[in-house]
Amino acid sequence: EVQLVQSGAELKKPGESLRISCKGSGYNFATHWIGWVRQTPGKGLEWMGIIYPGDSRRKNNPSLQGQVTISADTSVSSVYLHWNSLKPSDSGIYYCARAQVYGDDAFDLWGLGTMVTVSS
Amino acid sequence: DIVMTQSPESLAVSLGERATISCKSSQSVLYSGNNKNYLGWYQQKPGQPPKLLIYWASYRESGVPDRFSGSGSGTDFTLTITSLQAEDVAVYYCQQYYSSPDSFGQGTKLEIK
Repeated sequence: EVQLVQSGAELKKPGESLRISCKGSGYNFATHWIGWVRQTPGKGLEWMGIIYPGDSRRKNNPSLQGQVTISADTSVSSVYLHWNSLKPSDSGIYYCARAQVYGDDAFDLWGLGTMVTVSS
Repeated sequence: DIVMTQSPESLAVSLGERATISCKSSQSVLYSGNNKNYLGWYQQKPGQPPKLLIYWASYRESGVPDRFSGSGSGTDFTLTITSLQAEDVAVYYCQQYYSSPDSFGQGTKLEIK
């Protein structure tokens, strides 16, 4: 089955670090761009960035520059989103999603989401 | 950055009737090199991730019922649902993928009247 499986919900404190994951299966993982999309009640759907697992080329949302890092490991067919120091405003549901062919394509396959809660 | 604006914010339509959702981009998402509009439509039901319905503004994703259609070009786009079904209750989003960072509309909540 073609799918993206995301890691489980996280409850963290401000200032803590976090890495969430997204594992692809059922297709050639290395040759499809994978993006991250955040959903919050206040900002709706926010495109965070996208990575090509085959060579780790990335496009990031400049508004998030330095706040979060996207990486990939083709040996385990996974893409990651990493924070060094979480803030309460990082709370939300994080989806990984596969672009159809190229990095500038619609997302045709989505993970179920990882809920991140940052609270003291 | 390109700003996507949807209207209306919410919409109530009777079963079997037509629903129309508008999406406007702050600049054109039509690429002259291939004459494609870099615009997609998604459906999101409660507790689920978004689901791709339409890409390149008017191409229906595989498995999507033909009552869903997309139209428009440049900066003005429309998602039309003919003969609304109960299972179409959801929030609908447009997305531009013409220019990074990609951006989504704020969503349109579709309900049954």
